Amino acid sequence: AQTVTQSQPEMSVQEAETVTLSCTYDTSESDYYLFWYKQPPSRQMILVIRQEAYKQQNATENRFSVNFQKAAKSFSLKISDSQLGDAAMYFCAYKSTQGGSEKLVFGKGTKLTVNP
Amino acid sequence: DSGVTQTPKHLITATGQRVTLRCSPRSGDLSVYWYQQSLDQGLQFLIQYYNGEERAKGNILERFSAQQFPDLHSELNLSSLELGDSALYFCASSPDTGRDYGYTFGSGTRLTVV
Repeated sequence: AQTVTQSQPEMSVQEAETVTLSCTYDTSESDYYLFWYKQPPSRQMILVIRQEAYKQQNATENRFSVNFQKAAKSFSLKISDSQLGDAAMYFCAYKSTQGGSEKLVFGKGTKLTVNP
Repeated sequence: DSGVTQTPKHLITATGQRVTLRCSPRSGDLSVYWYQQSLDQGLQFLIQYYNGEERAKGNILERFSAQQFPDLHSELNLSSLELGDSALYFCASSPDTGRDYGYTFGSGTRLTVV
């Protein structure tokens, strides 16, 4: 079974600085999808960014980008020019493309604090 | 508003009782997923329905059941509730046919069992 590990329970960053959140995963599959979700205090789960495993190019969405290292099974999230509104729990998630199930497997999350 | 509607937002009930959580997926989405989020277990996949049929099952207890109706809304039934069932229950939906879709989540139902 696939597992997702986020080794940093908490991180903090100064406003306008850059922070990187780590995520590793374990799988024997070659084709899959990876996601980062944000959960602010409102509890809403918000999709931040997605990466397809067969694409070499790292995904980017405005201030959010990923560093996808397939061989190392690593999928880190970089937030540039951090803003107070970025404060939230961030979850890394893995999605298999096999077996007829599209379930997401989540890591336990990293709590990001943004200091003014 | 994500387009996925969950009701109720909060629910407080006693041990041994039964509750029903409701989810309306985003318009056009055929798949519905239920997740349980607790402090110690993180986000745990419970069950997936696609166009009315059960498609995948995760760590769902026998005391829990779900269904998806012809109008695609889904209900999660939790019975013989225990203190440990207190959690945030999320519903999410996806179009399903596109493999790279992430989910669209509802805002969750906070269940407190006392």
